Amino acid sequence: DADVTQTPRNRITKTGKRIMLECSQTKGHDRMYWYRQDPGLGLRLIYYSFDVKDINKGEISDGYSVSRQAQAKFSLSLESAIPNQTALYFCATSANGRVTDTQYFGPGTRLTVL
Amino acid sequence: QKEVEQDPGPLSVPEGAIVSLNCTYSNSAFQYFMWYRQYSRKGPELLMYTYSSGNKEDGRFTAQVDKSSKYISLFIRDSQPSDSATYLCAMTNNAGNMLTFGGGTRLMVKP
Repeated sequence: DADVTQTPRNRITKTGKRIMLECSQTKGHDRMYWYRQDPGLGLRLIYYSFDVKDINKGEISDGYSVSRQAQAKFSLSLESAIPNQTALYFCATSANGRVTDTQYFGPGTRLTVL
Repeated sequence: QKEVEQDPGPLSVPEGAIVSLNCTYSNSAFQYFMWYRQYSRKGPELLMYTYSSGNKEDGRFTAQVDKSSKYISLFIRDSQPSDSATYLCAMTNNAGNMLTFGGGTRLMVKP
């Protein structure tokens, strides 16, 4: 079984709808991250969480919110989706502490906002 | 201007060729440099990381950092079709809270 899972894998929605993307991990890591990937722009950090009570904004948090329900679960919400939020979304985890701790990525969610 | 620049490619090479992938960056605070590989429809996976300037070798892969030029490279020797993927550079400062990624270079190795 995959260590980092994301649901759904694909989602098409309409402008103005509320959307939630979910991430679960079995690696026992404290740190979790949400990124979006757009062609030519690489991955950009939306939010990150160092533990259940510690949530931080990343580079592009406007229009997004997150919830860390448990050590293993980190959800990303789009309160009112807009077309320029069409992208590939990745969740990642890392063990706490060292700068060099590897980030492990989930398989991604492809979101299309019409 | 983006903090990390990477040629998007695609870069097409024959099997067995030496591949050179590069990134330039503008933030002198970056100290840790990573290379991720991303296969189609998959999440990125870490290939290797380097601290500060110098070289690091891992099998067919060599990472090189030149901080004076703000330039990093990944060399792949004896490239294989299985190396066909998008390669993303990433970097961070000593605090390491956030990674800054390049846009990725798509590599195609033809049999």
